[in-house]
Amino acid sequence: AQSVAQPEDQVNVAEGNPLTVKCTYSVSGNPYLFWYVQYPNRGLQFLLKYITGDNLVKGSYGFEAEFNKSQTSFHLKKPSALVSDSALYFCAVRDGNTGFQKLVFGTGTRLLVSP
Amino acid sequence: GAGVSQTPSNKVTEKGKYVELRCDPISGHTALYWYRQSLGQGPEFLIYFQGTGAADDSGLPNDRFFAVRPEGSVSTLKIQRTERGDSAVYLCASEPGPASGGELFFGEGSRLTVL
Repeated sequence: AQSVAQPEDQVNVAEGNPLTVKCTYSVSGNPYLFWYVQYPNRGLQFLLKYITGDNLVKGSYGFEAEFNKSQTSFHLKKPSALVSDSALYFCAVRDGNTGFQKLVFGTGTRLLVSP
Repeated sequence: GAGVSQTPSNKVTEKGKYVELRCDPISGHTALYWYRQSLGQGPEFLIYFQGTGAADDSGLPNDRFFAVRPEGSVSTLKIQRTERGDSAVYLCASEPGPASGGELFFGEGSRLTVL
């Protein structure tokens, strides 16, 4: 069975500073890893994914994430935070050894960017 | 619109009543997922369909919950004898196909409140 841990309930950062939101995962097969963002009263939106290839993947809104197999981590990063990045961020994992498979989500990390 | 549509957006019911929640996925998407999100939690997997059949229903909490997708498009999540603990936001997502790599497109959810 797969699982995801997001150790921080909330991350606070000042606008213009770099941000990191942490995620570690557990999966028996090949990890397919994802980040989704949820704005207030909105549905979940896909940000980026790692399937294979380069460990650093780039996604929407200037976000990127680094896959680290030895540490089983997939931390979300952005070089310069914006106030508009404030939202709830979810890491998710899928076992990539089969076709359609459920995504298992973490509990989420609230990002608060202050002006 | 071109996105995943869920109705109703809000449903208030009394304990013991029957509820149906509808999901209209993006046209042509093969897979459809149901998740449940309680306050302060990440999305919890319920069931997913490949075409008309339920490929994995391991997340349904008990036999009061049932979902159908009779023609491989629209899906209905059915909850019998609702309980207060069923109160949550029920999310639906669709996925284009096996080659999509796991990018799910979510609706805005149906908020269920059981009094």
